[in-house]
Amino acid sequence: DQQVKQNSPSLSVQEGRISILNCDYTNSMFDYFLWYKKYPAEGPTFLISISSIKDKNEDGRFTVFLNKSAKHLSLHIVPSQPGDSAVYFCAASVGLLMGWGKFQFGAGTQVVVTP
Amino acid sequence: NAGVMQNPRHLVRRRGQEARLRCSPMKGHSHVYWYRQLPEEGLKFMVYLQKENIIDESGMPKERFSAEFPKEGPSILRIQQVVRGDSAAYFCASSQSGRSYNEQFFGPGTRLTVL
Repeated sequence: DQQVKQNSPSLSVQEGRISILNCDYTNSMFDYFLWYKKYPAEGPTFLISISSIKDKNEDGRFTVFLNKSAKHLSLHIVPSQPGDSAVYFCAASVGLLMGWGKFQFGAGTQVVVTP
Repeated sequence: NAGVMQNPRHLVRRRGQEARLRCSPMKGHSHVYWYRQLPEEGLKFMVYLQKENIIDESGMPKERFSAEFPKEGPSILRIQQVVRGDSAAYFCASSQSGRSYNEQFFGPGTRLTVL
């Protein structure tokens, strides 16, 4: 039962342009969302998060947008840099203030930034 | 300030053997999570442990898999009588608390290959 879906397995973008990664979820109880970035042979590293009380969170070149009615979130990277080439995982959890952080992960999107 | 340590990084086992994967959380972290990533898939939650306690093992297969996090020493994920389908990357993460908004820091993973 895949509750978090990343339907684009790969994305190619030119250096300097915007990368837009999408993530859909089915569980309306999810109230906290994260993006992780993963390089080959390494563990995922935290990138940015957003709680369900917000619809946007920005951190430098990274912005996450949340559309609760559509059960959709997206990650924007502007401008894209070669070092952004990695697999990006979307994750969601239930219980922002009550439960523990059991994350459900999407399958990931491989981003390739070309010169 | 060492991050999450996992060893071994690569483990090869024959069918029927036992696999033991170790995870040392970040200093000051008492919450450990194990995830499994099958080829072409995202990370799947397996188990959440605190020191000497299993908090949530809802993602663990019912048979052959066990996990512990003793008072002293690393967390261990143990797979008995391994089968080819157990071949995957196993990631451990740790956090300072179990709250969902606490970032989980991931180790580099152990890649298990079952021959």
